[in-house]
Amino acid sequence: AQSVTQLGSHVSVSEGALVLLRCNYSSSVPPYLFWYVQYPNQGLQLLLKYTTGATLVKGINGFEAEFKKSETSFHLTKPSAHMSDAAEYFCAVSGGYQKVTFGTGTKLQVIP
Amino acid sequence: GAVVSQHPSRVICKSGTSVKIECRSLDFQATTMFWYRQFPKQSLMLMATSNEGSKATYEQGVEKDKFLINHASLTLSTLTVTSAHPEDSSFYICSASPGQGNNSPLHFGNGTRLTVT
Repeated sequence: AQSVTQLGSHVSVSEGALVLLRCNYSSSVPPYLFWYVQYPNQGLQLLLKYTTGATLVKGINGFEAEFKKSETSFHLTKPSAHMSDAAEYFCAVSGGYQKVTFGTGTKLQVIP
Repeated sequence: GAVVSQHPSRVICKSGTSVKIECRSLDFQATTMFWYRQFPKQSLMLMATSNEGSKATYEQGVEKDKFLINHASLTLSTLTVTSAHPEDSSFYICSASPGQGNNSPLHFGNGTRLTVT
């Protein structure tokens, strides 16, 4: 069994400020972890993924996430928010057979 | 990169009619595709796993006779919402992966906004 918890359904940051979106997971097997971004009325785009190896993973658009097994976390960060980062972000976990469980999403608002 | 195309992007239909949604992998073959449903302000819920050449596997609570899935080729899966009702109005998204491993990320179509009047 696997699950994902995203803390904060809405996060607001000022343009240029640090972005931190929180994600905690549970999985009965070693997890594969993903972050996706969704713009209004569009599908999901993969930002980054963790499978094995280096625990700090870098993705597109300047985002990165760190896998912390002891904390069962996979928080998404970006040093400096841009207006174009405003979207909804989904953390996801896969434990097998490509069946992915998504978190409830965090809507990021960037204030100019 | 891997591209998944979904058509149509929006559809409005009358209650009682059927609607077909197509999902295509444009530059890779996908033996397995996934159909998700997303209600407003909610996350994606897996509806079913579409398997090429065999029957789809439905998640608990999903009516297989209402949501017909056909995966006739390695690049095409279709979802037909039969006898649609207003409560079927939702955002439907398909996904597929060019890899076979569990760590192969899913690539998503742009979704279909279904409105049943």
